[in-house]
Amino acid sequence: NAGVTQTPKFRVLKTGQSMTLLCAQDMNHEYMYWYRQDPGMGLRLIHYSVGEGTTAKGEVPDGYNVSRLKKQNFLLGLESAAPSQTSVYFCASKQRGNSYEQYFGPGTRLTVT
Amino acid sequence: GENVEQHPSTLSVQEGDSAVIKCTYSDSASNYFPWYKQELGKGPQLIIDIRSNVGEKKDQRIAVTLNKTAKHFSLHITETQPEDSAVYFCAASTAGGSYIPTFGRGTSLIVHP
Repeated sequence: NAGVTQTPKFRVLKTGQSMTLLCAQDMNHEYMYWYRQDPGMGLRLIHYSVGEGTTAKGEVPDGYNVSRLKKQNFLLGLESAAPSQTSVYFCASKQRGNSYEQYFGPGTRLTVT
Repeated sequence: GENVEQHPSTLSVQEGDSAVIKCTYSDSASNYFPWYKQELGKGPQLIIDIRSNVGEKKDQRIAVTLNKTAKHFSLHITETQPEDSAVYFCAASTAGGSYIPTFGRGTSLIVHP
C-alpha cells in the first residue's frame, strides 16, 4: 500500500513552459486535493475533487487546471508557467464519510525561472 | 470564509520542556480541528484532531484543547524530544459535505538537545 504518490519529485521549468503533475492514491479515496506551500503561507488549496469526473476551484486556482478522469489519479496542469508558481506542491486524499483525515503525498518542488 | 491564525511562527525549546501552539478561527460553524506535523522533506501527517463536542483530547505526550466560545484551540506537547522538531499546522473546517479545511500558516518547532 503506497498511499499517496506524486510525480515528479523535482522539476525546473522556464517561464512559459507547460507541465503536468501527477498524483496517485491506492486507498480508494473519493476526495483529492492539490495544495501549494510557500514559506510563511501555510497550505493553500488550488483545486479539489469530490469524486471521479468532478473538480472544483480552491483558494488560488488561477494559472492551474486539473483533471480527475480516474478515481485514483488527480492531475495538476500548468499551461504557461510563471515565476510566481515556484512552490512546493502537495496532493492529498480523503475517504468519503466521517473520517476527515487527509493523507498527503511527499510533494513536488517546482522552480520556474 | 474561514480564517485561521496560528502563533507563534517559530518556537524554540529545550529538550524536556513543553511547547504550546495556538490557533484562532473566525467561522463559528467550524466544528472539526485537526493538527498536522510536517517533517523536513515530507508531506504533512495528522497527529491529533478534536471535534467541537469535546473540550480536550490527549494522546500520550500531545494534547489539544478547544474553546468554542473564544474560537481558539491549542496544541500542547509535553516532554519534548528532538524528533518533535518539525512544522506544525492547525486547521479548521466544517465536518461533512465537501470537506475543505482552512490551514494556519504553520509553526516551526525546534527542540534543542
